[in-house]
Formats: sequence, C-alpha cells, structure tokens
Amino acid sequence: EAGVAQSPRYKIIEKRQSVAFWCNPISGHATLYWYQQILGQGPKLLIQFQNNGVVDDSQLPKDRFSAERLKGVDSTLKIQPAKLEDSAVYLCASNWAENSPLHFGNGTRLTVT
Amino acid sequence: RKEVEQDPGPFNVPEGATVAFNCTYSNSASQSFFWYRQDCRKEPKLLMSVYSSGNEDGRFTAQLNRASQYISLLIRDSKLSDSATYLCVVPPRANQAGTALIFGKGTTLSVSS
Repeated sequence: EAGVAQSPRYKIIEKRQSVAFWCNPISGHATLYWYQQILGQGPKLLIQFQNNGVVDDSQLPKDRFSAERLKGVDSTLKIQPAKLEDSAVYLCASNWAENSPLHFGNGTRLTVT
Repeated sequence: RKEVEQDPGPFNVPEGATVAFNCTYSNSASQSFFWYRQDCRKEPKLLMSVYSSGNEDGRFTAQLNRASQYISLLIRDSKLSDSATYLCVVPPRANQAGTALIFGKGTTLSVSS
C-alpha cells in the first residue's frame, strides 16, 4: 500500500513570499488533514477535509493560509504571505474512518527567512 | 485542564531500564487513544492504540485510566533504538467541529549504553 505522498520535502522562502505544498493521501482514505508542527511541539491541526468538503478549519489562519481538495483526493496548502513564525514542518495525514489512526506523509520542512 | 498534557522530559535512561510516560486528557467522553513515536526529523508513526483493557506489544504496554483521565506507556528493557519522542494522541474536544485527533507536545526519551 502506497503511503501518504507529500512534496516538496524542503522549502526555503523569504518572508512575504508565497509557498504551496501538495499532498496525496492513501488511496481510499476519505479524510485528509494538514497539521503544522513547530520545533519542540506536537502537531497542531490546521484543516480537516472529508472528501472535498472542509470539516474543521477553525485553527487555520485564514488571512494567510488557504487549502483545497477540489476532487476529494489530493490537496494543496498555500501560505501567502509567509511570516517568520510559519517556519515549521507541514504534515499531511489521512485515515479511513473517524478516530482511526492517522497515516502521515514525510512532511514539508518550511524555513522562512 | 488542557486537552492533552505530557511531561516533555527528557527521560534519560540506560539500556535495559524500564521507563513509563503518562499523559492526561480533559475530555472524559473520549474513546480512542493512541501513542505515536516520532524520530528526529521524521513524521509521527503509530506505535500503539490504547484499549480500555490495556494492551501489550512486546516490550511496550499501554494502559488507560478513565477515572483519573490519563493514559500511560511503559517500555521495558529499553533499547538504544527506543530513543525518540513519544506523542500522546487523544480524540477531539467535545465542541470541536471535526474529528481530528489532538497531539500532545511529546515526551523525549534518550536511551544510552
């Protein structure tokens, strides 16, 4: 079974620039999540999709972050404009049912300078 | 009480030692709990689910105490390869829109020879 695919693995940008991350979940997993993990912290949910609909985006900084999952499969997360405090690892995860274990991608390590 | 709290450690133990981590949670209605392991610069990976009756997998034992609202992870006969961060994962808050699992900040374990 192929795992959760994410790209790019690393990204370095200057503040106020924009950046986009891509995620392809495990085949058949209807639920997709984007988590942000700052160094020394646990992953924090940014947004949850169920198929192509948003279930929870209450912790997404909507003034600068956006995400979509148009066809209910892969997803993109965008930051525009980036701030220094956005430096983190952005993890995409999926699962097959509510409260079932999450499967994570390798993550994208973002550095904002 | 916070949704999930863990002692960040670090726990520094010699090989062969037994070490235990606790994690408290706030949502008394929670049903599904997990322990994830995260190696340095890697994504979190599921270590164990935590069942009401407790469960054991080799040197690892996970237990749930509903009355006191905590879960525990016991590692016996520690190996160098057990060095990692252990993340406690609990279900979402009762008033949370979605079903995204909530991660603790993690407990760092360092096993030395």
